[in-house]
Amino acid sequence: GENVEQHPSTLSVQEGDSAVIKCTYSDSASNYFPWYKQELGKGPQLIIDIRSNVGEKKDQRIAVTLNKTAKHFSLHITETQPEDSAVYFCAASQINTGTASKLTFGTGTRLQVTL
Amino acid sequence: DGGITQSPKYLFRKEGQNVTLSCEQNLNHDAMYWYRQDPGQGLRLIYYSQIVNDFQKGDIAEGYSVSREKKESFPLTVTSAQKNPTAFYLCASSPRQGRHPFFGQGTRLTVV
Repeated sequence: GENVEQHPSTLSVQEGDSAVIKCTYSDSASNYFPWYKQELGKGPQLIIDIRSNVGEKKDQRIAVTLNKTAKHFSLHITETQPEDSAVYFCAASQINTGTASKLTFGTGTRLQVTL
Repeated sequence: DGGITQSPKYLFRKEGQNVTLSCEQNLNHDAMYWYRQDPGQGLRLIYYSQIVNDFQKGDIAEGYSVSREKKESFPLTVTSAQKNPTAFYLCASSPRQGRHPFFGQGTRLTVV
């Protein structure tokens, strides 16, 4: 089955700096890579996702890059703000029309943005 | 408002008792999922259902049971056979058209 590794487990940055979280996956058949943000005591919320036919995707201060050959993908947050502080999870899945989206998650990165 | 409702938010049970966690969605999603989250770990899939009256085991199904009698509902029973039931349980749903799952707010189960 799929195995997703995520690094670092904790990340502290100053407000305004950039943050980068990296993930690797093992199954070359995986074709969908979402990133979730989880605030304390709440369920994860999708912040950005990327499919295997795309190398990079950007949404305002957040971007994700994918290297299929190396089987790794990364989350980039620029101009970090205190409200970016949370736990971030990467995930991988084979997503096909008509089938359930079974995600395999990384172990999470706790991001702290300090003033 | 459309969404996924998990209840209760906090649940306490004595060891040896079965307990059922509720999950309801009004998003008209076909697929529903249960994940377990432990401190410092990612989310692990317990069970999932692609359609009413059908469900499959995930990676850590032992000690759990589910039912899917209605499209909107996917309750999870944590049985006394689950050796370490204390955890944060997350329910999710997704359309069958290959979209990402949407998560509920979770139920924190504590077994004493």
